Amino acid sequence: AQKVTQAQTEISVVEKEDVTLDCVYETRDTTYYLFWYKQPPSGELVFLIRRNSFDEQNEISGRYSWNFQKSTSSFNFTITASQVVDSAVYFCALSPNTGGFKTIFGAGTRLFVKA
Amino acid sequence: GAVVSQHPSWVICKSGTSVKIECRSLDFQATTMFWYRQFPKQSLMLMATSNEGSKATYEQGVEKDKFLINHASLTLSTLTVTSAHPEDSSFYICSARVRDSYGYTFGSGTRLTVV
Repeated sequence: AQKVTQAQTEISVVEKEDVTLDCVYETRDTTYYLFWYKQPPSGELVFLIRRNSFDEQNEISGRYSWNFQKSTSSFNFTITASQVVDSAVYFCALSPNTGGFKTIFGAGTRLFVKA
Repeated sequence: GAVVSQHPSWVICKSGTSVKIECRSLDFQATTMFWYRQFPKQSLMLMATSNEGSKATYEQGVEKDKFLINHASLTLSTLTVTSAHPEDSSFYICSARVRDSYGYTFGSGTRLTVV
C-alpha cells in the first residue's frame, strides 16, 4: 500500500520557536519521490522540496530543513525561528515510480504561528 | 518557468448547471495532468489522471460521466463538472508533470460553490 501519514493535525507555536512537522510514508517501491508543499489560506499549493529515494542527504534552505530517513520511512520538516507568515497547512506527499506517477498526499498539518 | 494557469479562481453556479475549469501550461508541455479535489480542511484527493490525446483514468469512486476531463493538447486540460450539485462544492486543483522531467507544478486552484 502507498500511504502518507501526518500524525499532527494542528500545531500552534509562538513566533521564533522551532517546529518540526512529521511525515511517515509507506511504499513498496524502491524508487520514489517525496515532497513537501505549503498551502496558505489563499489556497494555492506552494512547492517546497522534492527528494528522491536514493538521496538521503538532509537539506537546508534558509529557515527550512528536511530530515529524510529511509530506515524509519520518515521525511520530517523543521522550520527554525518560525514566523507568522509560516502559518499554513503543510502537506507531505509521496510519488512512487509505479502507478503512473500519481502523488499521494498526507492529511496535512495546520500550523499556527502566533505573534 | 513551468507555470500552470488555472481558471477560473472561483465560480458560483446554480445546481444542475455545468462548470468548466481550465488548466493551461504556459511555458512547457504537460504530458500528464492530474486533477485533485479538496474538501474543507481535508487533504487533496486525486480524481483522475489525463495524458495528452488519451482518455482520462479515473480513481475509484469518481464518476467519469460527471467529471469530464479533456486533455486535447500538450498545453491545455479541462475539467467539466456536469449537472453540478451542492455536494460538488469543493476546491479543485490541477497538477502538470513537466515533460522529460520529474517535476510537478500546480495550478492555483478553483473554488467551486454550487447553490
